[in-house]
Formats: sequence, C-alpha cells, structure tokens
Amino acid sequence: GESVGLHLPTLSVQEGDNSIINCAYSNSASDYFIWYKQESGKGPQFIIDIRSNMDKRQGQRVTVLLNKTVKHLSLQIAATQPGDSAVYFCAERYDYKLSFGAGTTVTVRA
Amino acid sequence: GAGVSQSPRYKVAKRGQDVALRCDPISGHVSLFWYQQALGQGPEFLTYFQNEAQLDKSGLPSDRFFAERPEGSVSTLKIQRTQQEDSAVYLCASSADPETQYFGPGTRLLVL
Repeated sequence: GESVGLHLPTLSVQEGDNSIINCAYSNSASDYFIWYKQESGKGPQFIIDIRSNMDKRQGQRVTVLLNKTVKHLSLQIAATQPGDSAVYFCAERYDYKLSFGAGTTVTVRA
Repeated sequence: GAGVSQSPRYKVAKRGQDVALRCDPISGHVSLFWYQQALGQGPEFLTYFQNEAQLDKSGLPSDRFFAERPEGSVSTLKIQRTQQEDSAVYLCASSADPETQYFGPGTRLLVL
C-alpha cells in the first residue's frame, strides 16, 4: 500500500508489500528529522533519522526521503511484516525541541 | 543496555490530588526531556534539562506543573491539584548528543 505525497491517518498494507508513509513538516529552519514507531502501550521507538543536508538515507528495510522544497518527509518500509503494525510519527527538530506530526496508523494484513 | 525507564507506568488520581512521575534516563545522557501525549496525538514538548539545569519550561501547561532534576540524572515531573484535562501519557526522553532522543514507556495518568 502507498500514500504518495499525501498524509493519511491510516494505512492498510498487505504483508510483503512495500509501504510509504508521508509527513509534512512546518519549520523550514528545522535541521534534523526523525521517524518514530509507537506500538500500543509503549513509548516512541527510534527508527531512522536524516539531517537537512541530505535527501535520502537508508536503514534496514527502511528508507527516509526528505524534500526540503515542499517540506515533505516520507518513510518507506520494504516487505512490510506484521510486526510493523504501529503508529508512525515524523518529528522535526529545531534547536533541541522535537515537534511531532500527526501520526499514521499502519495495519498489516496477513 | 538499559533504556529510559519511567514509574509508575499507570497512575489514577482523584481531581485535586498531587502526583509525581519519575524518569530514569539512560546512564550518561546529559539531556532530558518531558513530553505530554494526549490520546490519538503526537507527543508535545513540556520541558528540557541539560544536566541539572532546566533550560526550557515553555511547554508546561500551567504553574501546577513542575519538573526537577537535582543531580543531573533522575527527573521528577510533579503535577499539583490535578485536573481532568491533565489525563494523558507523560513521556520522558534522554539523549547523549543534540540529536537522537530515546523515549521511555511513559506514565499513563488518569484523573477522575
């Protein structure tokens, strides 16, 4: 399942498919961005980060893309697994403060 | 190694009671943050410590909220005369560098 370009509050994905989660940030002066995963009853868990001088960064099964022109951030998850079901938040950092976007609830269908 | 821990994990308070929420950051982490997370929302910044110094408390909702970190490690968030609108998850995060913040599991506060 994909939601290219547009932030959606929920995303349903077939197991094994790739997922794309989108986020718009607000402060053009933000210099650092993070994606967090939050499972029910737990605190946000760090997934991947990217600095403002980069436009792409890859991790294990995850890729973050940054488009500063339109202040847009996306998280791509390859081969989505049931354990990826959670709420995903993007966060932007200005100074030391993190500001979180509206989360996206990802549900993985078996 | 051990992550950020918070206690209690759940707290039910009667309106008007005082509560104290504890955060144990990752050992050696200089920076400590408190956030408030309402149901269905992302975390909102409350306050920031660098060692024992509280450098920013601009996010605290009212003067009923008070945070301290007297020895530069453990921190306590205190809420006096709790109100129903204080019901939320209170998250603590710590970091060793200016960037990556690691979160604890949170304390779920319910004010009746």
